[in-house]
Amino acid sequence: GAGVSQSPSNKVTEKGKDVELRCDPISGHTALYWYRQSLGQGLEFLIYFQGNSAPDKSGLPSDRFSAERTGGSVSTLTIQRTQQEDSAVYLCASSQGQGRGYTFGSGTRLTVV
Amino acid sequence: QQQVKQSPQSLIVQKGGISIINCAYENTAFDYFPWYQQFPGKGPALLIAIRPDVSEKKEGRFTISFNKSAKQFSLHIMDSQPGDSATYFCAASQDGGTSYGKLTFGQGTILTVHP
Repeated sequence: GAGVSQSPSNKVTEKGKDVELRCDPISGHTALYWYRQSLGQGLEFLIYFQGNSAPDKSGLPSDRFSAERTGGSVSTLTIQRTQQEDSAVYLCASSQGQGRGYTFGSGTRLTVV
Repeated sequence: QQQVKQSPQSLIVQKGGISIINCAYENTAFDYFPWYQQFPGKGPALLIAIRPDVSEKKEGRFTISFNKSAKQFSLHIMDSQPGDSATYFCAASQDGGTSYGKLTFGQGTILTVHP
């Protein structure tokens, strides 16, 4: 596609529920990143995909967070048993590879009530 | 070692003025330094980037100045316009090795340009 597409754009969920966030990267981009942006904060790295594999999961905050990527394209970030501190904007970015600029999606704003 | 420190947190400039945002890093292995611009409700967009083999890069009204010895880099916005009002993030990454181009971001600067 022309840009990185994320869905849903907004998600309100009850504490304890599971949520899935989707990212459609730019076609042909092999690298895919998930970041989290809390209110008034910078961007916090979560996970990196090269193709379908995730060589770097070091930013995932806890085992409640997981992500997968299929077909070298779409990625899903899953948060189980959501907590209020999970409330943030979750941003996905894709890139043609190392040393190339990222293209970010508009993010999913997650609110846990 | 992985931190990127950005200042100021917020900046107010009059139309036509110069906006300057500064960043400092610790990891000398960083070799790619982009700046991102973010409008409310949107994801960050790449504005301009520099590598440490040059001291300055200019694209239109936007200039990055890079000081390798001081481990600092800055963004200058000349002739600032109200449409430049946004949040600006500096970032740094290390290509190759185990870093996979992972970006470390500064905390952001909220720029307001008054008409």
